[in-house]
Amino acid sequence: NAGVMQNPRHLVRRRGQEARLRCSPMKGHSHVYWYRQLPEEGLKFMVYLQKENIIDESGMPKERFSAEFPKEGPSILRIQQVVRGDSAAYFCASSPGGNNEKLFFGSGTQLSVL
Amino acid sequence: GQQLNQSPQSMFIQEGEDVSMNCTSSSIFNTWLWYKQEPGEGPVLLIALYKAGELTSNGRLTAQFGITRKDSFLNISASIPSDVGIYFCAGPYYGGSQGNLIFGKGTKLSVKP
Repeated sequence: NAGVMQNPRHLVRRRGQEARLRCSPMKGHSHVYWYRQLPEEGLKFMVYLQKENIIDESGMPKERFSAEFPKEGPSILRIQQVVRGDSAAYFCASSPGGNNEKLFFGSGTQLSVL
Repeated sequence: GQQLNQSPQSMFIQEGEDVSMNCTSSSIFNTWLWYKQEPGEGPVLLIALYKAGELTSNGRLTAQFGITRKDSFLNISASIPSDVGIYFCAGPYYGGSQGNLIFGKGTKLSVKP
């Protein structure tokens, strides 16, 4: 079974550009989460999605950040007009349905903003 | 707000030694999770604890859910070089949705062969 797949692994953007990060959950998992990790820090929750629904976006910055999990295809985390402070590792995780706190993480996308 | 404090921040040990690290909070947690993260990778779940006082093992790893529900401990016996990584404790954010976890800042483990 393939695990959580994220791409790209590394993404370089110049200030003002857009960044699109993709995540395919584990087979059979319908719940997707996005986390951000700054250097020397733990992971910080951003958003929780199910197919076509945003369940909890309490950790998302109010501006420039958006996430979706369409009926078909991967989940997308989109960052518009990136700034240097957006440079971080972005991790996607998935879990099976139901009340389940055991998350399975992907290998992450390292975003670098020049 | 809820915070998880991990100690020590880093450890340098000799292969074969036992390791002990802990995670504390001023808030009560009903679930404790321990993850390991290797360089360039995402965290991998090691052990999940759901009951105060619970002691759970996974190979050479043993974790305990503190009786006060405000702390948890992870022990690694007879360390080997592949134990190198950052160990994070995590727990559900109170009042948050499932999967909304709080993570500590991690304990970085280095093992000298």
